[in-house]
Amino acid sequence: SQQGEEDPQALSIQEGENATMNCSYKTSINNLQWYRQNSGRGLVHLILIRSNEREKHSGRLRVTLDTSKKSSSLLITASRAADTASYFCATGNQAGTALIFGKGTTLSVSS
Amino acid sequence: DAGVIQSPRHEVTEMGQEVTLRCKPISGHDYLFWYRQTMMRGLELLIYFNNNVPIDDSGMPEDRFSAKMPNASFSTLKIQPSEPRDSAVYFCASSSRRQYSPLHFGNGTRLTVT
Repeated sequence: SQQGEEDPQALSIQEGENATMNCSYKTSINNLQWYRQNSGRGLVHLILIRSNEREKHSGRLRVTLDTSKKSSSLLITASRAADTASYFCATGNQAGTALIFGKGTTLSVSS
Repeated sequence: DAGVIQSPRHEVTEMGQEVTLRCKPISGHDYLFWYRQTMMRGLELLIYFNNNVPIDDSGMPEDRFSAKMPNASFSTLKIQPSEPRDSAVYFCASSSRRQYSPLHFGNGTRLTVT
C-alpha cells in the first residue's frame, strides 16, 4: 500500500522556471526521501530529510518537511531539460525497515 | 563500484513459463529489496532481505512468486507459472546497514508475459 502520494501527477514547465512537487504521507516517519527516475532506468536517490529537520538544500534542490501536516515538498530551481524525469517520495513502512514509494510526479522541462 | 546489476534487462515469455530474474547487489550492502513497477500500481515492495535472510515477503502477490538470496552477492526472483498480469518492470535495490541509508537501484528487468 502507498504511504506517500505525490502531487501533481504531471508537471510541464519551461527551462529556467522552478518546479515544485508535493508529497503527503499517512503515518509518522523517521525520515523522508526523494528519488528521481529517468525513462528506462532505476531510481536514483536525491535527498533525505529527517523528521526533526524542516528544510534541506542540495544544489538546486530544496526539500521541506512539515510533520504536523504530514507533507513534504521538493523544489527544483532554474530547471533544465535534463531534469525531465519522474520524481518519487518515499517513507518507511510501519516497521521502519523498508521504503514505500508514492506513484510519482512526472516532470517535463522543455527548452 | 558497478552498482546494482540486474539481468536480463528485458524478458519476453509465454504464459505458463517459468521466469527467473537475477540481481547482484553492491558489495558490502546488507539489505536487498525487490520492487515491481506498473503504471496502475506504481512501485510495490515485494520482499526484502537482511544479511541474506528474508525479512518481509508480505508484498509477494501470490505463491507463484518466490525469492532467494543464497549468498551476499546474488538474489533471484522467480515466477512460476507466469501470467500476463505479471508484466511489469522489476527492480532490485540494495542499501547498507547504516541508519537512513538510501537505496541504490538497478536498471530493472522489463518482463512481458504474452
